[in-house]
Amino acid sequence: AQSVTQPDIHITVSEGASLELRCNYSYGATPYLFWYVQSPGQGLQLLLKYFSGDTLVQGIKGFEAEFKRSQSSFNLRKPSVHWSDAAEYFCAASGGSYIPTFGRGTSLIVHP
Amino acid sequence: DTGVSQDPRHKITKRGQNVTFRCDPISEHNRLYWYRQTLGQGPEFLTYFQNEAQLEKSRLLSDRFSAERPKGSFSTLEIQRTEQGDSAMYLCASSLGQTGNEQFFGPGTRLTVL
Repeated sequence: AQSVTQPDIHITVSEGASLELRCNYSYGATPYLFWYVQSPGQGLQLLLKYFSGDTLVQGIKGFEAEFKRSQSSFNLRKPSVHWSDAAEYFCAASGGSYIPTFGRGTSLIVHP
Repeated sequence: DTGVSQDPRHKITKRGQNVTFRCDPISEHNRLYWYRQTLGQGPEFLTYFQNEAQLEKSRLLSDRFSAERPKGSFSTLEIQRTEQGDSAMYLCASSLGQTGNEQFFGPGTRLTVL
């Protein structure tokens, strides 16, 4: 079965520190991969996506993600976290259909 | 372009009542999706439309749930005989119907069934 795993339910970082959120997927073939962010009371916003080509993907708000086929991973990174980055982050994957499977999310807490 | 809108934002109802939610997608988007999100979980796919045609339904969409998109524009999601287990955030998203195109999400409708 297709699945997306985000092993960390909560991540706490200090403002200015680097960030890495983990995502692993299980699909029959290389899926399309996405990272979304959800702030309280807001809809999900796409940070970045990977379809093919360069395995390092740049997104909005200074985020990037690296696709590693050998590890079935698509981890999200940011070199310096801002307090406004505190939110829920979702990794998602889709195959030939347009319907993504989402991970359960990682809650990012930023300490001043 | 005002984004995807959903109405109402919050709905409190008693068990056994029927509720209906509305989603207005981005105007040029031909695909529209409904998801359900419970606390501590990611969104779970319910159904999607391409124009007015409902192309796929999840097994999560029981017989008490029905969705329509009558003119290929706005969509409604109705839940009949609500149960406490229906309490969740219901998200709508829209996209242009090309592979991998970004889905734009609305703010959601939070349903509480007492």
